[in-house]
Order: sequence, then structure tokens, then C-alpha cells
Amino acid sequence: ELKVEQNPLFLSMQEGKNYTIYCNYSTTSDRLYWYRQDPGKSLESLFVLLSNGAVKQEGRLMASLDTKARLSTLHITAAVHDLSATYFCAVDMRSGSGTYKYIFGTGTRLKVLA
Amino acid sequence: KAGVTQTPRYLIKTRGQQVTLSCSPISGHRSVSWYQQTPGQGLQFLFEYFSETQRNKGNFPGRFSGRQFSNSRSEMNVSTLELGDSALYLCASSLGTYLNYGYTFGSGTRLTVV
Repeated sequence: ELKVEQNPLFLSMQEGKNYTIYCNYSTTSDRLYWYRQDPGKSLESLFVLLSNGAVKQEGRLMASLDTKARLSTLHITAAVHDLSATYFCAVDMRSGSGTYKYIFGTGTRLKVLA
Repeated sequence: KAGVTQTPRYLIKTRGQQVTLSCSPISGHRSVSWYQQTPGQGLQFLFEYFSETQRNKGNFPGRFSGRQFSNSRSEMNVSTLELGDSALYLCASSLGTYLNYGYTFGSGTRLTVV
């Protein structure tokens, strides 16, 4: 069964602190995506990671991909309140017929405390 | 460039009724995928349409159906609504090929079944 697991599911952290969200997936894929969702809103694309060793950074967020370990990380540096949201990773899973599915992780609800 | 447009934004329906949701993808995008999001189950894949054909399907009952028109606009229909169908329904548009780099999501339709 195709699984994409994130941990932690909930994260409460103080402003100014660093933390990492992990995304593990159960089958081979060379593409991983990170999205942000604010309460009641849609998903906003953050990063697209297309190869092993890929690293992308935007502001206080940095994402990386290790396809051999089937692991992606989203690292938060010096958190600020505006980063409070739910973060999802998603993986492209190619099927035998050549089509692909997009499988989302469970989400990590981040709350940054002032 | 216009984004992904979902209508309506909010709906309240009675159990047993049916509902149709609409999604207009980004111009040039041929793939439209639908997701159901609930607090308990997270983001669940419903189906994907590409060039008017259903290409992938998730594990939802037959009450959930969809279609795509020649202009790539897609509709999703839920018949015989149940209370458990209350959710945020998101559609996502993409080029639809493996050269695609992620999805762009619409704002969603919040469906409440009473």
C-alpha cells in the first residue's frame, strides 16, 4: 500500500526556535512536493523537489529530499508566528500503466507561539 | 494568469440530495484532480480527469462521480448525500504529464450536509 507519513502530526514551538518536519514515503518516487494550508483555505505550493539530494530554500523554510531513504525534511529556522499553518508533503507515485497518483501525507499542524 | 476556479465556495445540502461542484483549471492544463478533505481523514484523492477521461480513481463509493469537458473544466457530482460527505472539496489542476511539476489548487468548495 502506498503510504506517505509525516511526523510530528502536531508541533507547537516558540518563536525564534528551529525545528524539522519529516516526510517518509513507502515506495520509489523521485518527486516530492511541500504545501502549506492555512485554516479554511486551500493549499499553497511551497517546494518542488525533483531529484535525490535536492535542496530548496525560501525564507525561513528549507526542504530537502533523500530518495534512497525515501525521506524529505522541511526545516524551519527561527520560527515566526506567520508560519503557523498545516504543512503537507505529497509524492508522485507512478503506476504500472505509466500514469501517476499524487499521494498526500497526513499533514503537520504547526503552531508558533509568540 | 487566472488560477483554478471552484464554484460554489459554500453549499448547504440536505441528506439524500445530490450536489454538483465545478472546477475550471488553469488555461492550458489538461488534468483536473479532486480531493476531499475532512478533519478525520485528511486529504483523500477522489479522481483525476485528463483530456475528458477518468485516468485515476480513489477509494470512494459510486455516489461520487465526475466528468471533464472539452475545455478541461470539470464537474464533480455526489448523489444521495450523507452527513459524512460534509467536507472541503478541493480541485487541483496540472499539465497532466510526468513533466508536470506539482498541482495548483483551487480555493475549494465547503459542503455541509444537514
